Amino acid sequence: SAVISQKPSRDICQRGTSLTIQCQVDSQVTMMFWYRQQPGQSLTLIATANQGSEATYESGFVIDKFPISRPNLTFSTLTVSNMSPEDSSIYLCSVEDPYSYDEKLFFGSGTQLSVL
Amino acid sequence: AQSVTQPDIHITVSEGASLELRCNYSYGATPYLFWYVQSPGQGLQLLLKYFSGDTLVQGIKGFEAEFKRSQSSFNLRKPSVHWSDAAEYFCAVGYNDYKLSFGAGTTVTVRA
Repeated sequence: SAVISQKPSRDICQRGTSLTIQCQVDSQVTMMFWYRQQPGQSLTLIATANQGSEATYESGFVIDKFPISRPNLTFSTLTVSNMSPEDSSIYLCSVEDPYSYDEKLFFGSGTQLSVL
Repeated sequence: AQSVTQPDIHITVSEGASLELRCNYSYGATPYLFWYVQSPGQGLQLLLKYFSGDTLVQGIKGFEAEFKRSQSSFNLRKPSVHWSDAAEYFCAVGYNDYKLSFGAGTTVTVRA
């Protein structure tokens, strides 16, 4: 199964600044996903990041606010731009491992972001 | 559009007692159904999933879930809860294994 390292694990940021979250996988994967988990709410898919192509954003999320990079098959970043307190959430990276027997989707431990 | 409802925000259960977590979904077809667990500071871990076949699914850590098409439900159960089962549990649905819609989660507290 894929092992995911996500950094930072938590951060406290000022309004108007940007934060880049890194996701490193111990094996090559085609699809990586970024989720947001707002306080008391469900996980919401922000975008799908495939290597070599533009990220695909879900309804309600735009590239200017959440730019994503996917430079290779083991790494991705998500930037939360021009932050406001409403961006305070846990951001989760996940990857697909199609060769895994049963569990196909693996999650990082998340980045807890607080915006003041 | 698909949606997932977990009616119980928080459940407290005594160690050794049984546990049932409810999940209802709205979907256009028979979806892939999942239960994940998230312990503090950890990523989500898959407990079990259903996409076809036997409607009673066995998972890890002694959990099971039953798919009931007529009720659009996929409830999670465990006969005897251990203190280590204290965590947040998420039900999820999707067209495949990857792009999922999650419920808001149920926090389980286990008392001695």
